[in-house]
Amino acid sequence: DGGITQSPKYLFRKEGQNVTLSCEQNLNHDAMYWYRQDPGQGLRLIYYSQIVNDFQKGDIAEGYSVSREKKESFPLTVTSAQKNPTAFYLCASSSTGSSGNTIYFGEGSWLTVV
Amino acid sequence: AQSVTQLGSHVSVSEGALVLLRCNYSSSVPPYLFWYVQYPNQGLQLLLKYTTGATLVKGINGFEAEFKKSETSFHLTKPSAHMSDAAEYFCAVSGRMSNTGKLIFGQGTTLQVKP
Repeated sequence: DGGITQSPKYLFRKEGQNVTLSCEQNLNHDAMYWYRQDPGQGLRLIYYSQIVNDFQKGDIAEGYSVSREKKESFPLTVTSAQKNPTAFYLCASSSTGSSGNTIYFGEGSWLTVV
Repeated sequence: AQSVTQLGSHVSVSEGALVLLRCNYSSSVPPYLFWYVQYPNQGLQLLLKYTTGATLVKGINGFEAEFKKSETSFHLTKPSAHMSDAAEYFCAVSGRMSNTGKLIFGQGTTLQVKP
């Protein structure tokens, strides 16, 4: 089945460690996104990529990094510089980066700092 | 800058009652408008969207929404609530003049359905 796969579903990180969240899609979509979800704050955009080998910062990019070496993959690294990383992270994709296209979401990854 | 406001972080209805979830946007040009639903511990699923044409949009699971330019609103309704509708609902916008497809989300409304 076509879709967006995020892994792991649950991840625990010690303070000071970097961690990478995986996102893979087999929808042949050009554009991919990472959102962060906190209770009562909706979803906030971390990074997005409209094409391979190119990406842009979203509204809350500080403390995060991404890469887009392959069309189907858009991993997110949460670095030790991110001051409050505990959250639910959602990866998404759309056929193109054009406005108005439907954005499809993965099942999300929970990151907890211990 | 665009913004989205969802009035009411929690809405409670009885099973069989009308569901009304409110969404207002702020934008100089009417944006593309979306409603998503999120069940606990899951990703978001598109309910419906408005891009152009008929202002009353029908979506999945019996939901519909009406774009009202004069009120800058895109409220979500369902005539009769089911227990399975209990979830969190997000309104989102994407700018018509934008060269990216990124969405701006409201803060979400949790719908509780009482038996």
